[in-house]
Amino acid sequence: NAGVMQNPRHLVRRRGQEARLRCSPMKGHSHVYWYRQLPEEGLKFMVYLQKENIIDESGMPKERFSAEFPKEGPSILRIQQVVRGDSAAYFCASSPFRGAAWTLNEQFFGPGTRLTVL
Amino acid sequence: DAKTTQPNSMESNEEEPVHLPCNHSTISGTDYIHWYRQLPSQGPEYVIHGLTSNVNNRMASLAIAEDRKSSTLILHRATLRDAAVYYCILPGAGSYQLTFGKGTKLSVIP
Repeated sequence: NAGVMQNPRHLVRRRGQEARLRCSPMKGHSHVYWYRQLPEEGLKFMVYLQKENIIDESGMPKERFSAEFPKEGPSILRIQQVVRGDSAAYFCASSPFRGAAWTLNEQFFGPGTRLTVL
Repeated sequence: DAKTTQPNSMESNEEEPVHLPCNHSTISGTDYIHWYRQLPSQGPEYVIHGLTSNVNNRMASLAIAEDRKSSTLILHRATLRDAAVYYCILPGAGSYQLTFGKGTKLSVIP
């Protein structure tokens, strides 16, 4: 039973280039979350998606960042025109379907993509 | 999310028990207490959660104070593999946003 998969594990970009980070959730999970971890800090929520829908993007920077979770294929976090401040570890997590009485917040995290902007 | 306070770091000898404290004095009646840990260069990993009663699973135990204003994660026999940053999180009923603070960095001494 494969866990959450992220690729690439390491990504180096020059300022102004685009970064595409991919996340394949665990089998049977239809909810995906993206978090960012800046050096020496805790993880910060960015966006929550279900298949073909963005549910909450309140933690995402307003410009240059976008996320999608298409009907087929992995979820993609896209950063356009990267700047040095975008250097961080980006983690994807997934969770199973949530029923009306759902209270457990367990999320399963991937190994992360470490983005370095030169 | 209710605010949590944890020590920045702790040390333990290998094969001894470890008690990791967390204060959450503003916890509400419906807040579950969750613990995650993050091993070096890895994503966070769910450890345990509870509401009022003490909880045990294969990884750890969670002791919750009677007034719920604090809790303690207990690792019964620390191993080198337990060296990680441990996060105490109160996401709120039905909330999906996990707010990770600085956590407690646990070092295990061989």
